[in-house]
Amino acid sequence: AQSVTQPDIHITVSEGASLELRCNYSYGATPYLFWYVQSPGQGLQLLLKYFSGDTLVQGIKGFEAEFKRSQSSFNLRKPSVHWSDAAEYFCAVGAQGAQKLVFGQGTRLTINP
Amino acid sequence: KAGVTQTPRYLIKTRGQQVTLSCSPISGHRSVSWYQQTPGQGLQFLFEYFSETQRNKGNFPGRFSGRQFSNSRSEMNVSTLELGDSALYLCASSLERRTDTQYFGPGTRLTVL
Repeated sequence: AQSVTQPDIHITVSEGASLELRCNYSYGATPYLFWYVQSPGQGLQLLLKYFSGDTLVQGIKGFEAEFKRSQSSFNLRKPSVHWSDAAEYFCAVGAQGAQKLVFGQGTRLTINP
Repeated sequence: KAGVTQTPRYLIKTRGQQVTLSCSPISGHRSVSWYQQTPGQGLQFLFEYFSETQRNKGNFPGRFSGRQFSNSRSEMNVSTLELGDSALYLCASSLERRTDTQYFGPGTRLTVL
């Protein structure tokens, strides 16, 4: 069965520092991979996605992620975080194409001023 | 283009009652999926509808059901509510199935007393 692991439940970084959120997945075929962000009381906003092709994908708000098949990872990065990036971040794999998303448990990001 | 809309945004029910939640997808989108989000279980897939037919179902009891109308709007119903059904219910829509990205609505917060 498909699964997604986000090893870090909570991460705190200082404003202006770099950020890397980890995501490992388990899936037998070529995965459809996503990162979503959720602010308190809100729905999920798509940051970026990987379906095929270039393994380094760019998203909104200055985020990028790299697909590494050998490590079954899809880590999210940002070179310099802003206070507005404080939120919960979810990695997801599409269990049947891009449908039936299986989500990780999420990583809550706190930004220190 | 308007995003995914969900009504109502908040609901309070008591055990044993039933509830119906509504989702209007992005204009032109034909696939609608539903997810349940709880602090304990995280984000879990409920079901997916496309062309008025349920295409995928998650591991939830039969008390959870849904339907899709010819205009792609969708409803989900939960009968005989239990305390554990308290959750944020998220609806997502996509243009097509399998190779298309899901866009999420703001959710309906259901509280069961």
